[in-house]
Amino acid sequence: DIQMTQSPSTLSASVGDRVTITCRASQNIDNWLAWYQQKPGKAPKLLISKASRLESGVPSRFSGSASGTEFTLTISSLQPDDFATYYCQQYNSFLFGQGTKVEMK
Amino acid sequence: EVQLLDSGGGLVQPGGSLRLSCAASGFSFSTYAMGWVRQSPGRGLEWVSGISGGGGASASGGTTYYADSVKGRFTISRDNSKNTLYLQMNSLRAEDTAVYYCAKESGVTVPGNYINSWGQGTLVTVSS
Repeated sequence: DIQMTQSPSTLSASVGDRVTITCRASQNIDNWLAWYQQKPGKAPKLLISKASRLESGVPSRFSGSASGTEFTLTISSLQPDDFATYYCQQYNSFLFGQGTKVEMK
Repeated sequence: EVQLLDSGGGLVQPGGSLRLSCAASGFSFSTYAMGWVRQSPGRGLEWVSGISGGGGASASGGTTYYADSVKGRFTISRDNSKNTLYLQMNSLRAEDTAVYYCAKESGVTVPGNYINSWGQGTLVTVSS
């Protein structure tokens, strides 16, 4: 079975910081990876699909990349609205990562 | 605009049953795969079940998938004539307590597509 390991579980950052979140797959997943943002009490929101395809309407400060079985979500300059929890999902096997909470430093 | 309205959650005793509904609008419901994702209090996301799309407007059913944790207890179904997705939950356990989200997949098949729209969620509490 495919395993997805997301890190870190919590990240403390300030407005304007560059933020990087990683998901590592235990085997090749052909870039079938999505990133979601979730704010407290709200449903998740799709940010990125196919590892690097930015969803329409998502700010360009969000980007996704892949290197083999390692996937990265980058926020180039953290904005106040970006404090949230982020999840990766390997959508060929339904599997979600454990989540990364981005909190204010 | 895609809208997914989840309903049917509530308090139920262990061993009891509950049926969740998701009323969809703003897109061709019959075309797309649909699913349910849950989130236990303070925990992460867990995919629960999915059903393929591609049937006609008057069709129901499709290929279904279940997480091992709910297999044999939960049944997903859809009524394309009513643009509604269902999740019948039987033999409920305390560990099924969660917010359940209706999810619209980006394509026809399950698996193989990401979730591009979510319902607002409905809370299921299993407790005596």
